[in-house]
Amino acid sequence: NAGVTQTPKFRILKIGQSMTLQCTQDMNHNYMYWYRQDPGMGLKLIYYSVGAGITDKGEVPNGYNVSRSTTEDFPLRLELAAPSQTSVYFCASSPSKGDYEQYFGPGTRLTVT
Amino acid sequence: TQLLEQSPQFLSIQEGENLTVYCNSSSVFSSLQWYRQEPGEGPVLLVTVVTGGEVKKLKRLTFQFGDARKDSSLHITAAQPGDTGLYLCAGRTSGTYKYIFGTGTRLKVLA
Repeated sequence: NAGVTQTPKFRILKIGQSMTLQCTQDMNHNYMYWYRQDPGMGLKLIYYSVGAGITDKGEVPNGYNVSRSTTEDFPLRLELAAPSQTSVYFCASSPSKGDYEQYFGPGTRLTVT
Repeated sequence: TQLLEQSPQFLSIQEGENLTVYCNSSSVFSSLQWYRQEPGEGPVLLVTVVTGGEVKKLKRLTFQFGDARKDSSLHITAAQPGDTGLYLCAGRTSGTYKYIFGTGTRLKVLA
């Protein structure tokens, strides 16, 4: 199993550009999450999903959009990139029962200049 | 807004020393998790605690959930350089599927 995969690993965007961060999991988990992590800090929840077709906002959703058309994929869209969105983005998935252990992808390092 | 405060923020110790990291909140959690994150990687789950007063041990690491389920601690005995990393606590409140992460404790163990 590959677990949670994220692409790209690195990206530099100019202010105002758009991009989609891809996230795929092969563990058949219903729950998926997007976090951002600023240097030396903890993780802030951007959006999460409890199943295909269902998404909800986390702590810091402004400037982002998500969709969940399949169980496996949970892409994160940045429409008008701003320097404040410079961060490392992590996608995670968890089963829908038990301790909800989250499995994280390797992250996408995004710089907006 | 739920907040999980971790202390200390940074910790640099010599190999063989003991240390304790704290995770505190004013919110009551139905479960609390501890993760370790190494540079350039995603966090990896160490343990989940769900019962007030619960103590779990993972080799040299001891985790405790507060009686009121508002706080937790991580104690490392005889720290080793391999313990170096960012330690994160994360709490989940009843009726939700999402975890709120703490501010993080960056540990460096010197050989």
